[in-house]
Amino acid sequence: AQKITQTQPGMFVQEKEAVTLDCTYDTSDQSYGLFWYKQPSSGEMIFLIYQGSYDEQNATEGRYSLNFQKARKSANLVISASQLGDSAMYFCAMREGPNAGKSTFGDGTTLTVKP
Amino acid sequence: EPEVTQTPSHQVTQMGQEVILRCVPISNHLYFYWYRQILGQKVEFLVSFYNNEISEKSEIFDDQFSVERPDGSNFTLKIRSTKLEDSAMYFCASSDVRPEAQYFGPGTRLLVL
Repeated sequence: AQKITQTQPGMFVQEKEAVTLDCTYDTSDQSYGLFWYKQPSSGEMIFLIYQGSYDEQNATEGRYSLNFQKARKSANLVISASQLGDSAMYFCAMREGPNAGKSTFGDGTTLTVKP
Repeated sequence: EPEVTQTPSHQVTQMGQEVILRCVPISNHLYFYWYRQILGQKVEFLVSFYNNEISEKSEIFDDQFSVERPDGSNFTLKIRSTKLEDSAMYFCASSDVRPEAQYFGPGTRLLVL
């Protein structure tokens, strides 16, 4: 089974609208972290937001928020007030266990923001 | 703002040659990682490094690969005898004492001919 599943290969959103990128995960660990990264066409990986499995509040970073539903094992990224510069590939990732270690990435979602 | 740097940005090599990819992690970070991304595919974990030793590695990280922290600032990935399928973007990442986020470098695009 896939550890990280991103079911939307591509998404479109109108500029200034909000968009939700889906991510579900599979783990038997109690301690894990969930991440979202943005990869523009230039190729770099930009860290956006982190949610720990024990965090009770949903993480927020500026226009990014993570809708964490632990029972459903979902960690959707919400981007509010989309901008043209948000057009990129978005990866959801998970790190399992209490120690630093590998992150497992999903296949990614390509977001296109339309003017 | 501190950032992870990687050199070179692009490397072209012949199959069977050795390559060394270099990374300078963020200075106060203690955990270091290498990932790769074959063109059009997802990012794959290779290895994590902490306290001067490998803490975890994937099945991709076979005997052809090695990592080293030769001094207080650099972190290197060596591929001893490159294969065509090693062509990919290689990302270095680092994280601090509380590894809640791994900060990635800009990547080295490796092409094996």
